[in-house]
Amino acid sequence: KAGVTQTPRYLIKTRGQQVTLSCSPISGHRSVSWYQQTPGQGLQFLFEYFSETQRNKGNFPGRFSGRQFSNSRSEMNVSTLELGDSALYLCASSPTGYSGANVLTFGAGSRLTVL
Amino acid sequence: GDSVTQMEGPVTLSEEACLTINCTYTATGYPSLFWYVQYPGEGLQLLLKATKADDKGSNKGFEATYRKETTSFHLEKGSVQVSDSAVYFCALRLGSNDYKLSFGAGTTVTVRA
Repeated sequence: KAGVTQTPRYLIKTRGQQVTLSCSPISGHRSVSWYQQTPGQGLQFLFEYFSETQRNKGNFPGRFSGRQFSNSRSEMNVSTLELGDSALYLCASSPTGYSGANVLTFGAGSRLTVL
Repeated sequence: GDSVTQMEGPVTLSEEACLTINCTYTATGYPSLFWYVQYPGEGLQLLLKATKADDKGSNKGFEATYRKETTSFHLEKGSVQVSDSAVYFCALRLGSNDYKLSFGAGTTVTVRA
């Protein structure tokens, strides 16, 4: 069974540019979440999607956005990049997300460097 | 709000030593609790979980017990190996109307041969 696939794995952008990251969840999983990991702030929740609807959003500026497609694949976009957006962006999927016990399976992440 | 506090790292141990990583939480409801592990250059992997008070999660020789009275979920392993070197994250998730994981800061563990 394939795991959570994130692309690209590494990318370098310059300030002011925008970036789109992609996440393909485990087959059959309908909930996709995104997290930002930085040395200073640790792991922070960005947003969660289920059946193409955003159900929950973390405390990030509007430059961070996402969407989910009908096949459950998800993308997140960061516009007008800032140096502080350099981070490892992790995607996680789970079957439905309704139960607190539902386990999140993480991808390997997309490492973004902003110069 | 909901939060998780982990012991500060880094932790350096010799092979076959005992490992304990303390984790305490603050939550408004009855969370599910998790330990995730991150190896260098990789994403997070679920190590173990517990969904209600007094549950014990276990995997790969690691154990943690959900203690509601002390709001704790300490991770323990009796005999560590070099391959256990990683960053360990404690996390909680409420679930009913909140679909996010709240993570602790992470504890870096290095095991020396």
